[in-house]
Amino acid sequence: QSALTQPASVSGSPGQSITISCTGTSSDVGNFDLVSWYRQHPGKAPKLMIYEVTKRPSGVSNRFSASKSGNTASLTISGLQAEDEAEYYCCSYAGSSTFVVFGGGTKLTVL
Amino acid sequence: QVLLVQSGAEVKKPGASVNVSCKASGYTFTTFSMHWVRQAPGQRLEWMGWINPGNGNTKYSQKFQGRVTITRDTSASTAYVELSSLRSEDTAVYYCARRGTYGDYYFAYWGQGTLVTVSS
Repeated sequence: QSALTQPASVSGSPGQSITISCTGTSSDVGNFDLVSWYRQHPGKAPKLMIYEVTKRPSGVSNRFSASKSGNTASLTISGLQAEDEAEYYCCSYAGSSTFVVFGGGTKLTVL
Repeated sequence: QVLLVQSGAEVKKPGASVNVSCKASGYTFTTFSMHWVRQAPGQRLEWMGWINPGNGNTKYSQKFQGRVTITRDTSASTAYVELSSLRSEDTAVYYCARRGTYGDYYFAYWGQGTLVTVSS
């Protein structure tokens, strides 16, 4: 199965906003509203930040928002904070045979 | 609160098998599917398969079909993943991850990860 494409890195200054893109195909991102986003600090387990394209789990800051258009999903983080510096992965349901595919990850650097 | 606690790091030789456990607490174990996801050094997350702890039904990624077995012990609220015929490319951190409360297709809770090193 094909993986999702993310930029390798993005950066921003504290207080700024950044957006991370996640490009798939009509077999995954484009066909299902089942995109999720995870944040992973070095040496730690991933943490769910967004599910079903736009929904925030309880306890996740409203500085995190997400959307989808066609085959591309996006995660926006506003009011950047030092703690946001991490790797971010997108994930999409891809049908019953593949189940899910992940993106390659985007390293966010807070300058 | 939901907690997933995994077994400790393993070192295995090529061709051997490894078994990693994931003990769940804080919820009814049989209610939510449990998944296994791995991450090789510097690589993306990779879904391996899942089990319905209620009935034991499983589904595996085609990539691992034939080499992976996921089981559960409901009396111990524990899920297991066994990977056989290990090769160096299987060196990775293995995570158990529970599906979300409201949907099957995202991972709301994660174990701390288990490093499996395959080396001769």
